[in-house]
Amino acid sequence: QVTLRESGPALVKPTQTLTLTCTFSGFSLSTSGMCVSWVRQPPGKALEWLALIDWDDDKYYSTSLKTRLTISKDTSKNQVVLTMTNMDPVDTATYYCARTTTVYAFDIWGQGTMVTVSS
Amino acid sequence: QSVLTQPPSASGTPGQRVTISCSGSSSNIGSNYVYWYQQLPGTAPKLLIYRNNQRPSGVPDRFSGSKSGTSASLAISGLRSEDEADYYCAAWDDSLSGFWVFGGGTKLTVL
Repeated sequence: QVTLRESGPALVKPTQTLTLTCTFSGFSLSTSGMCVSWVRQPPGKALEWLALIDWDDDKYYSTSLKTRLTISKDTSKNQVVLTMTNMDPVDTATYYCARTTTVYAFDIWGQGTMVTVSS
Repeated sequence: QSVLTQPPSASGTPGQRVTISCSGSSSNIGSNYVYWYQQLPGTAPKLLIYRNNQRPSGVPDRFSGSKSGTSASLAISGLRSEDEADYYCAAWDDSLSGFWVFGGGTKLTVL
C-alpha cells in the first residue's frame, strides 16, 4: 500500500523559511519512473504545482516560484523535503505531496498539511 | 490565474450527463496527456482520469475523458449526489525546462 504523509510547521512568520517533509512508504524513489511532487492549495482556491523530484534526482520547479524553492530527497529514509524561502501571507495554503509517475501523474496524495503565514 | 482554463462552475440533476472543459495551449494539452482529479470537500485530490481517457481501477465508468487539439473534457454520466466536488485538469507543459500546470478547478453542483 502506497502512503505519503506531510509534516512541518503549522505556523511560520513572514520572511521565514518553510521546510516541509514528505515521508512515504510502499514505493522507492530510486525506481525508474517514480517521482514525488509538491502541490499547494490556498483556502478556497485552486491547486498549484510547486516542484517535482524524480528517481534520477532531476528537479523541476514552478516557473513563478523557482527562485524560492528547493526540493531534495533522502532515498534511504523515503523522504522528500521542500524548502520555500521568504514566506509571505499569500503562501498560506494546504501543502500536499503526491507520488508522481510517468503514467499516472499524481496518483497517490498525502492528506496535506495546512501552513499559515502570519506574524 | 491558471494556465489551463476551466469553467468555475457546472451543475446537473441526478441521472444527467455533464461535461467539464479544460482549455490549454500547444505546449501543454496540445502535446501532452491530460489528467483529471476529483476533490471532495476537505479531502485531498483523487486521480480520476489519466492519459486523456484512461480510468484507474476503482473509478466508475460513468467518468470519461477526451482530448482534441489543445482542449480536453471530462464527462460524468448518470450524475449522482456524491459526484458533487471540485474537478481539476492537469497537464505537463513543455515550455522552458518543463513544469506541471493545473486548471483553475470546476465546482460541480448536483441539484
